[in-house]
Amino acid sequence: GDSVTQMEGPVTLSEEAFLTINCTYTATGYPSLFWYVQYPGEGLQLLLKATKADDKGSNKGFEATYRKETTSFHLEKGSVQVSDSAVYFCALRISNFGNEKLTFGTGTRLTIIP
Amino acid sequence: DTEVTQTPKHLVMGMTNKKSLKCEQHMGHRAMYWYKQKAKKPPELMFVYSYEKLSINESVPSRFSPECPNSSLLNLHLHALQPEDSALYLCASSQQTGYEQYFGPGTRLTDT
Repeated sequence: GDSVTQMEGPVTLSEEAFLTINCTYTATGYPSLFWYVQYPGEGLQLLLKATKADDKGSNKGFEATYRKETTSFHLEKGSVQVSDSAVYFCALRISNFGNEKLTFGTGTRLTIIP
Repeated sequence: DTEVTQTPKHLVMGMTNKKSLKCEQHMGHRAMYWYKQKAKKPPELMFVYSYEKLSINESVPSRFSPECPNSSLLNLHLHALQPEDSALYLCASSQQTGYEQYFGPGTRLTDT
């Protein structure tokens, strides 16, 4: 079945450090890929997405590139801030008619210290 | 208005054991979703409504009863709750199924 594997957390970084959160996937079809962020006590917010191979999603300084050859969608940010502390979920959706399920990874908790 | 709202924010199971969660969106979206999220886990899909009709039920126990009275509103009625039902219940909506999902802040259901 379809699945998403994220790097184990928690991840703790100093402010202005470089961030990478690894995400790889297994899918039977051609998935769309997403990164969602969940701040403490809140719901999920869509951070960025990519719908086909070699697409790059970007938002708020975060980037991720859809790599079909390595089945990966790693999240990166050049300089993190304390306000980036949250849980990050990688997710995929197979774009088959009638299959609208988002498959999430287990989430990676990120803490940024000043 | 690009918001999905959920009420109440918190709910305690309590003695009455019959609860209702409400979700509302005014973005003209025709697909709405219920997810359950346990602590430190990803959200798990429960139900999908498309054009006010139930299209997906992910084998959810019958004590959870969804309802979609109109295209803007989605309810989740709960009865005979079990301790394992304690979780954050998230509602989401999308333009149609297969489009980006926008999530609400959730209703946290806790055991007594």
